[in-house]
Amino acid sequence: ETGVTQTPRHLVMGMTNKKSLKCEQHLGHNAMYWYKQSAKKPLELMFVYSLEERVENNSVPSRFSPECPNSSHLFLHLHTLQPEDSALYLCASSLGSTGGEGYTFGSGTRLTVV
Amino acid sequence: LAKTTQPISMDSYEGQEVNITCSHNNIATNDYITWYQQFPSQGPRFIIQGYKTKVTNEVASLFIPADRKSSTLSLPRVSLSDTAVYYCLVGFHGQNFVFGPGTRLSVLP
Repeated sequence: ETGVTQTPRHLVMGMTNKKSLKCEQHLGHNAMYWYKQSAKKPLELMFVYSLEERVENNSVPSRFSPECPNSSHLFLHLHTLQPEDSALYLCASSLGSTGGEGYTFGSGTRLTVV
Repeated sequence: LAKTTQPISMDSYEGQEVNITCSHNNIATNDYITWYQQFPSQGPRFIIQGYKTKVTNEVASLFIPADRKSSTLSLPRVSLSDTAVYYCLVGFHGQNFVFGPGTRLSVLP
């Protein structure tokens, strides 16, 4: 366990479904991140929250909607996804407002869109 | 952001020392060099971070020459469990780091 917990570990959803991914950290970190990792591709930064405020959104489609209710919890709400959205979704946290001091990643949610 | 270049893949045998070199020709004065390890279906794990010369921890050593235009991650006496993707990242403590494709290390028996 890294201290960053993601649930569920696996998720299969239809294109018309609505689901949410959850991330939780109790490391006292101030920033949280969502990354997407597709097969044989580098990690892509999706969203950054620093002290519960979104500070970066890397042109992610609106069918992905993040929510950060407090510094320990981060959600990624999914709706009307496409098959190409199937990927490993990783949550990370860092002590500082960016990852300069090192990221701590969760184990990810393996999402399959059918 | 400084761009990094590292080999796509490497093979090694158990018990050998593995050195993975990363090039970062346009590294800035404030930039640090950080290495991560990722196993399949898991998130990357922080291995080591350095600014210049040599850094060593219980897992690896990081060698950085005086010009800092490259760095070498050294894994002593690798085992099968060291088979993973290794990422070299360059940036300073005030920006979000960008992950490249990494180096896929395969340790053979």
